[in-house]
Amino acid sequence: QKEVEQDPGPLSVPEGAIVSLNCTYSNSAFQYFMWYRQYSRKGPELLMYTYSSGNKEDGRFTAQVDKSSKYISLFIRDSQPSDSATYLCAMSGYNTDKLIFGTGTRLQVFP
Amino acid sequence: DSGVTQTPKHLITATGQRVTLRCSPRSGDLSVYWYQQSLDQGLQFLIQYYNGEERAKGNILERFSAQQFPDLHSELNLSSLELGDSALYFCASSAPPGAANEKLFFGSGTQLSVL
Repeated sequence: QKEVEQDPGPLSVPEGAIVSLNCTYSNSAFQYFMWYRQYSRKGPELLMYTYSSGNKEDGRFTAQVDKSSKYISLFIRDSQPSDSATYLCAMSGYNTDKLIFGTGTRLQVFP
Repeated sequence: DSGVTQTPKHLITATGQRVTLRCSPRSGDLSVYWYQQSLDQGLQFLIQYYNGEERAKGNILERFSAQQFPDLHSELNLSSLELGDSALYFCASSAPPGAANEKLFFGSGTQLSVL
């Protein structure tokens, strides 16, 4: 079993839809949770960063962490074609620099 | 632009050969990470250097090695290349530990094709 599981998709939605992307994990030591966005043939870029449980909102993006269920989510409101990319969740424990990534979910937003 | 520079962007070579990938971190970042991304394995952590010293090791093969130089740039050396080494190799950098070190900034990657 992988430490971080993520549905690879692809997920195809119409413009304006609310998108929900999810990851589950098995290591209860994970404390820091991130979402990266990766456009085709580009490096991943940090989108959202949260510590421990709770919600964090940034514009159209909301990151949610439920440590009791070992489940994290990224919601995208009013999705745009420019949101079409692969979204990777990543997490790490306290006092470690090593990030563990999910395999990524490919999202396509069509006009 | 993340501020992390990787060269070359593309590399085509033959099995059994040796290649070197280069990375310059963001100005002020002391940590450099190397990741391998393939279609079936996702983004796999290879190795991390902090201020010239190896800090963490992941799923890095013995045929692979890396180093970080005094000017903080890093090189990843891949030798005795096999077809399965074909992948996108990313370098990332971050601020010193304790300063939101989990936030990695990635370069654009080197696409390695082993024929």
